[in-house]
Amino acid sequence: NAGVTQTPKFRVLKTGQSMTLLCAQDMNHEYMYWYRQDPGMGLRLIHYSVGEGTTAKGEVPDGYNVSRLKKQNFLLGLESAAPSQTSVYFCASTGGTSGYNEQFFGPGTRLTVL
Amino acid sequence: AQTVTQSQPEMSVQEAETVTLSCTYDTSESDYYLFWYKQPPSRQMILVIRQEAYKQQNATENRFSVNFQKAAKSFSLKISDSQLGDAAMYFCAYRSPYSGGGADGLTFGKGTHLIIQP
Repeated sequence: NAGVTQTPKFRVLKTGQSMTLLCAQDMNHEYMYWYRQDPGMGLRLIHYSVGEGTTAKGEVPDGYNVSRLKKQNFLLGLESAAPSQTSVYFCASTGGTSGYNEQFFGPGTRLTVL
Repeated sequence: AQTVTQSQPEMSVQEAETVTLSCTYDTSESDYYLFWYKQPPSRQMILVIRQEAYKQQNATENRFSVNFQKAAKSFSLKISDSQLGDAAMYFCAYRSPYSGGGADGLTFGKGTHLIIQP
């Protein structure tokens, strides 16, 4: 099992450019999440999904869009990148309905917006 | 909304000694879940230990244990016999149970950087 994978691992964008981050999990998990981590901060939730075809906003959703067309994939899009979106992005997934269940994290994507 | 506070930006401990990392949280909920995650320099987030609020007994995983004080809203992590491989950022996290099975994710503290002195 690969667990949770993220593509790409690093990316540099210019202000105004767009890009999509791909998250894939092979654990048949229903719930998937996107977080961002900034220096001196913990992770903050951007968007999440409770199943194929469903998405919802988290704590910091502005400037991002997401899609969950397949159960195993969760895409995070930046339509017009801004320097404030320079961050490390983590995808996570969890199975079952209990809040006690572990969230499994991907290795992260470091994004720099110039 | 819930908040999680880690008041120690950095801690240092001698190898083989014991260290305690602090975490407090603010919530109006009576039932919830608490987690400690480790983030080594590789950036990978690794679950260390977790606790269900309705369970009085403190969770233990090998050298890692928690001191859960529900009334004080405190959830500290104790690492015994510290090893060089324990050096990392440690994040305390909260999850509410009242959101479709924890679907709205974790609320994290800002983290504590743990240094292990050889």
